[in-house]
Amino acid sequence: TQLLEQSPQFLSIQEGENLTVYCNSSSVFSSLQWYRQEPGEGPVLLVTVVTGGEVKKLKRLTFQFGDARKDSSLHITAAQPGDTGLYLCAGGSGTASKLTFGTGTRLQVTL
Amino acid sequence: EAQVTQNPRYLITVTGKKLTVTCSQNMNHEYMSWYRQDPGLGLRQIYYSMNVEVTDKGDVPEGYKVSRKEKRNFPLILESPSPNQTSLYFCASSSNGGYGYTFGSGTRLTVV
Repeated sequence: TQLLEQSPQFLSIQEGENLTVYCNSSSVFSSLQWYRQEPGEGPVLLVTVVTGGEVKKLKRLTFQFGDARKDSSLHITAAQPGDTGLYLCAGGSGTASKLTFGTGTRLQVTL
Repeated sequence: EAQVTQNPRYLITVTGKKLTVTCSQNMNHEYMSWYRQDPGLGLRQIYYSMNVEVTDKGDVPEGYKVSRKEKRNFPLILESPSPNQTSLYFCASSSNGGYGYTFGSGTRLTVV
């Protein structure tokens, strides 16, 4: 079974701070997806990276896929209260119909 | 509006009473999948489907059945629910599994 470990598990920061969430595995994935989940709702896709070394930016969020396609990071610049939520990485295998989710990082941004 | 619709949102049932959680998507997606989410264990894949009549087991398929008779629907069947199947369930769909999934709003199931 493939495993994806995220760190940190919990993060509480103040508005305006920067942060990085890590997603690590010993397995190679064909794609790496990042989701954000609000309480009582399903995860919402933020981004997908498929090429080793790929970097994607989504406003204040920067996503990177490791060169070996085993790890990924999410960096948030100048965090805002609206960034609060559970961040999940998910690795796709083969056709990526099989998706393995990471353990999750719960982020709280306070004023 | 493009969406994945699950029903019901909440369900309390008794051990052994068969139940079905429905899932429907209006995006003509090929791929569909079921997950359960439990505290401390995260999201785990139960079953997935790559097309009509094509399904395969995920990481935790025991006690569940699925069918994909038509593209838009992917129901999850619990033939004889047990308390350890109490969980939050999500259905998801994708046009190409490798590029991300759209999730439903979830079904909170309690088996007593």
